[in-house]
Amino acid sequence: ETGVTQTPRHLVMGMTNKKSLKCEQHLGHNAMYWYKQSAKKPLELMFVYSLEERVENNSVPSRFSPECPNSSHLFLHLHTLQPEDSALYLCASSQGSGGGNEQFFGPGTRLTVL
Amino acid sequence: GQQLNQSPQSMFIQEGEDVSMNCTSSSIFNTWLWYKQDPGEGPVLLIALYKAGELTSNGRLTAQFGITRKDSFLNISASIPSDVGIYFCAGRGNAGNMLTFGGGTRLMVKP
Repeated sequence: ETGVTQTPRHLVMGMTNKKSLKCEQHLGHNAMYWYKQSAKKPLELMFVYSLEERVENNSVPSRFSPECPNSSHLFLHLHTLQPEDSALYLCASSQGSGGGNEQFFGPGTRLTVL
Repeated sequence: GQQLNQSPQSMFIQEGEDVSMNCTSSSIFNTWLWYKQDPGEGPVLLIALYKAGELTSNGRLTAQFGITRKDSFLNISASIPSDVGIYFCAGRGNAGNMLTFGGGTRLMVKP
């Protein structure tokens, strides 16, 4: 238990569906991250929020839309996804977004797009 | 951008053997982190390194921050079946504040 929870743990959706992934951290951190983990590829950073403000957006397609309503919660809204978006989506948090601050990961949401 | 090469990609060893894996960077890093990921879970931080030459242990795990600041090593002594998983290195260089992750080393331990 790392103090970062993610729901749902598994999600199957069609290409026309709209769904949301949720992340919650109980560590008092002020930075949160979304990563995508595909088979045989390194972890890909998608978004970074620091003090509820987006500070990084790594050329992620607009069909992924993040939301950070407060420093403890992070959402990833999904719509009209493609099969190649199937992956493990990991949320992480840290105290501060820079300086290699240690990031603590949630268990991930395994997403399958049909 | 920064690239991290992690090797080996996979290892299949006998229980009790020592394990060594490493990461190399195309540029200088200021921080090295080592994570382990169990199947169906997120990565868990094992060891953090902040200074060139630093050698840090966590139980049977030992990691070193290379003197050149372009590499890091993780050693596991006397492996046990629960060491099975994927080990990732991650580093931060001068070009930005975000972490770059290696491709992972998949470790399998035969009892």
